[in-house]
Amino acid sequence: GNSVTQMEGPVTLSEEAFLTINCTYTATGYPSLFWYVQYPGEGLQLLLKATKADDKGSNKGFEATYRKETTSFHLEKGSVQVSDSAVYFCALSDQRSQGNLIFGKGTKLSVKP
Amino acid sequence: DAMVIQNPRYQVTQFGKPVTLSCSQTLNHNVMYWYQQKSSQAPKLLFHYYDKDFNNEADTPDNFQSRRPNTSFCFLDIRSPGLGDAAMYLCATTTGYNTEAFFGQGTRLTVV
Repeated sequence: GNSVTQMEGPVTLSEEAFLTINCTYTATGYPSLFWYVQYPGEGLQLLLKATKADDKGSNKGFEATYRKETTSFHLEKGSVQVSDSAVYFCALSDQRSQGNLIFGKGTKLSVKP
Repeated sequence: DAMVIQNPRYQVTQFGKPVTLSCSQTLNHNVMYWYQQKSSQAPKLLFHYYDKDFNNEADTPDNFQSRRPNTSFCFLDIRSPGLGDAAMYLCATTTGYNTEAFFGQGTRLTVV
């Protein structure tokens, strides 16, 4: 079945550092891929998405590229801010799963000033 | 401008006392989902409605039920909450399958 594996956290960085959170997936079809962010005590917000191979999703300085050959969708940001501290979830969905988002376990990011 | 609204944000209920959580949407989306998220874990799908069609996940306990009286509203009923049901409950909507999901802010349920 479909699954998502993302790097374990927590990740602690200094402000302005480079961020990479790895995400790989297993899917039988052609899924859409997403990164969601969850701030403390809040619901999930869509950060970015990509719906087909080689698409690049980007938002608020974050980027991720849908790599079918490596089944990956790694999240990157060139210079993190304290306000980026949150939990980041990689997820996929496809028609077979009836739109059910399959989430990775989440990676907690803490950015120190 | 809130698009998916969950009420209440925080709910405390007694062990075994039925409780209902509410979700409403202004997006006119066809699909509404209920997820359970326990501390430091990923959200887990309980069930969803595509229009009026109810789709239950195989491992969702019978203790959890849902109602969707119209397009805008969806309710999660927990018939006899146990201590293990304490969690954040998230409602989400999509236009159809394989499209972007919009989440509410969640309801944090405490069982005492």
